[in-house]
Amino acid sequence: SQQGEEDPQALSIQEGENATMNCSYKTSINNLQWYRQNSGRGLVHLILIRSNEREKHSGRLRVTLDTSKKSSSLLITASRAADTASYFCATDGLKAGGSYIPTFGRGTSLIVHP
Amino acid sequence: SAVISQKPSRDICQRGTSLTIQCQVDSQVTMMFWYRQQPGQSLTLIATANQGSEATYESGFVIDKFPISRPNLTFSTLTVSNMSPEDSSIYLCSVRLQDSINTEAFFGQGTRLTVV
Repeated sequence: SQQGEEDPQALSIQEGENATMNCSYKTSINNLQWYRQNSGRGLVHLILIRSNEREKHSGRLRVTLDTSKKSSSLLITASRAADTASYFCATDGLKAGGSYIPTFGRGTSLIVHP
Repeated sequence: SAVISQKPSRDICQRGTSLTIQCQVDSQVTMMFWYRQQPGQSLTLIATANQGSEATYESGFVIDKFPISRPNLTFSTLTVSNMSPEDSSIYLCSVRLQDSINTEAFFGQGTRLTVV
């Protein structure tokens, strides 16, 4: 089953508004990562937050992590039409053989109207 | 960072045929990963491609259906064999520059496969 589950599944906002997406997970993690996917193309890494960090910023992105609630949020401030994409959270899973492989949630589809 | 070239970007195939997807990385990496993303769904790991050894498949995926080659540290192929419409998905290759936690994954642009 998926480790991360994003909420909401779909989000529609106007340009200039803030967009908040949430991610919940089930087991303990080393880190949580957020990725963006444009129109069914490849994923682009946005930000990684470690399990001992509570908040991280990158440009217009703000990520929080609450390990007690097993949840994370991604905030995009002052959204732009170009932010329209699907956003996925991912957590690291230790696979057989000792490799760390990200496990992805279902994603949030964000539409920003100009 | 890593730049990944994935080919083809899309294809429409007849059922019963096979398609081989190529993934080329601009640097040497130990491990490459192949994911499937069914329409409107998340990414599901198919297998880990190890250079010099057989790929490691996840539950629900078998080598006969998804044979993988990894001839060197910059290249891998995934073949989708004996295709059916249920194989219609986006297939993505991915790498990590270091096999350790707290490192990001890089992705190719994906191959959008439609089986008719």
